[in-house]
Amino acid sequence: LAKTTQPISMDSYEGQEVNITCSHNNIATNDYITWYQQFPSQGPRFIIQGYKTKVTNEVASLFIPADRKSSTLSLPRVSLSDTAVYYCLVGPDTGRRALTFGSGTRLQVQP
Amino acid sequence: GAVVSQHPSWVICKSGTSVKIECRSLDFQATTMFWYRQFPKQSLMLMATSNEGSKATYEQGVEKDKFLINHASLTLSTLTVTSAHPEDSSFYICSALPTSGNEETQYFGPGTRLLVL
Repeated sequence: LAKTTQPISMDSYEGQEVNITCSHNNIATNDYITWYQQFPSQGPRFIIQGYKTKVTNEVASLFIPADRKSSTLSLPRVSLSDTAVYYCLVGPDTGRRALTFGSGTRLQVQP
Repeated sequence: GAVVSQHPSWVICKSGTSVKIECRSLDFQATTMFWYRQFPKQSLMLMATSNEGSKATYEQGVEKDKFLINHASLTLSTLTVTSAHPEDSSFYICSALPTSGNEETQYFGPGTRLLVL
């Protein structure tokens, strides 16, 4: 699986838009980009997955440039409940294989 | 939506005892389940892949005789930590892969926190 690099931590305030960037320079042609969210003492939760360009769902948006060597998870108007660790995963059919989690980004949202 | 449960949610045991953790897919069948372990402030690490009706596949460094996995049905996998020691204290998380359809998402359980005294 392609190695990923994310910031260790980020701070934000309620109502702000948060963008978390993940670098994956060695992404392969058949790799997808998937983001998971993990609250303290809970299992990870799937947020969004994409292959190229932009993907949007009710929770977040995922921006992937043409070279696919990075991706940005965008959380609109965060609230305190968005405080969590966010993991970027890259790999083929990542849903159907055991997942390799990197260190993730610890997002702290303050009032 | 697909739900995976784990039981117990937390357990405290004495050193040397065995602890069984259950992982259940509540509304779907899962031929394959994965077991992960997460130490404080660290990421999830895959321990083993559990396949219904066959032996589990363990990651390098994970002792199969210490972490016994049984996947006896399409909705249940169990992880037994045998002769637990304080260093086994961790957060154990399972995930389940829906058997049918083209589901590309695996679903995680809420985790089980184990504290060995």
